[in-house]
Amino acid sequence: DVKVTQSSRYLVKRTGEKVFLECVQDMDHENMFWYRQDPGLGLRLIYFSYDVKMKEKGDIPEGYSVSREKKERFSLILESASTNQTSMYLCASRTIGATGELFFGEGSRLTVL
Amino acid sequence: AQKITQTQPGMFVQEKEAVTLDCTYDTSDPSYGLFWYKQPSSGEMIFLIYQGSYDQQNATEGRYSLNFQKARKSANLVISASQLGDSAMYFCAMREGQDMRFGAGTRLTVKP
Repeated sequence: DVKVTQSSRYLVKRTGEKVFLECVQDMDHENMFWYRQDPGLGLRLIYFSYDVKMKEKGDIPEGYSVSREKKERFSLILESASTNQTSMYLCASRTIGATGELFFGEGSRLTVL
Repeated sequence: AQKITQTQPGMFVQEKEAVTLDCTYDTSDPSYGLFWYKQPSSGEMIFLIYQGSYDQQNATEGRYSLNFQKARKSANLVISASQLGDSAMYFCAMREGQDMRFGAGTRLTVKP
């Protein structure tokens, strides 16, 4: 059974803290994605990676960075968390190819106080 | 500019009736893919259906069909014979190259 695993379901952090969200997939997928989901705004693409050590900015990269040192792992980093980064964060992966759909993790709900 | 537009924040449908969820997109790439996902209240994202930009026929998967009008850049999802379990958020997404972007979603409520 295919699996995308996000390290934390719920996190509570303080403003200014550094936050790491980890995502691991076991499907040998080339592409990995980080989205944030907010009511009324849908899923907004933060960063994606199409290969190890490769990354591309999405629509809202400000305040975030990513790391992909191994194919199966894609990390989202908030260098200095702010209250407006309180959100649900979804990791996803897909294989290369036109028809490959996204496989999602369960999400990480981050609250920044 | 928004690449994927879903203009219906919420929709209601009577059980057993059909419903159409709207999606328009914007791209200059001749090769792209369109996807629909369902997100029930449990939060999981469920892939429903895919349409490629070069596909001549509209995609169908069981009770789901995608009404693809390329010239109008629309990719509406049609759900036939709605069931109570269809109540959920529905997201339209577009793949350009390697990335994937989503619309704001439509919350569908099926009434008994």
